[in-house]
Amino acid sequence: EAGVTQFPSHSVIEKGQTVTLRCDPISGHDNLYWYRRVMGKEIKFLLHFVKESKQDESGMPNNRFLAERTGGTYSTLKVQPAELEDSGVYFCASSPLTGGTYNEQFFGPGTRLTVL
Amino acid sequence: LAKTTQPISMDSYEGQEVNITCSHNNIATNDYITWYQQFPSQGPRFIIQGYKTKVTNEVASLFIPADRKSSTLSLPRVSLSDTAVYYCLVGVPSGGYNKLIFGAGTRLAVHP
Repeated sequence: EAGVTQFPSHSVIEKGQTVTLRCDPISGHDNLYWYRRVMGKEIKFLLHFVKESKQDESGMPNNRFLAERTGGTYSTLKVQPAELEDSGVYFCASSPLTGGTYNEQFFGPGTRLTVL
Repeated sequence: LAKTTQPISMDSYEGQEVNITCSHNNIATNDYITWYQQFPSQGPRFIIQGYKTKVTNEVASLFIPADRKSSTLSLPRVSLSDTAVYYCLVGVPSGGYNKLIFGAGTRLAVHP
């Protein structure tokens, strides 16, 4: 069974540009989460989708970040315009809606974003 | 979610047993204790979870005393490949809906 995949693995962009990160969850997982770790900080929650609906977006830092999950399958996270402080590693995770282990989320390898 | 405190780093040698203790003094009645492991350049990976007493799986054991204000992750006979960051999380299970709140974790280095 394929795990959570993220694309790209690395992205280097200049301040002011736009970047779109993609996450493909494990097939059948209706819960999809985005997290990020900025340099020297802890992994922080960004938002949570249940299918195509945003369940919790309390961690989104500002309106430069836009997450979508059209059709309830893969998700994209767009940063526009990117700022220096957006540099970090962005993780995506997924879990089933029912039948899974409590608090078990399956993480992807992350996308390392560098804003110059 | 309850705040957790764990050592910043630990060192061990191959073949030794490693115990990482996490303090969670404000744990709530319904909170479960969950541990994740993260290797370099990978996302965190769930390894074990418990509510009270002892839980064991193929990877680790989790010891939780009666007052539940702390927990200890035990890794038997570590190898170099166990070098990773270990996170202790405390929260309420909601069928997988929980956002996870990570602390700084414990960086474990296993030496030959």
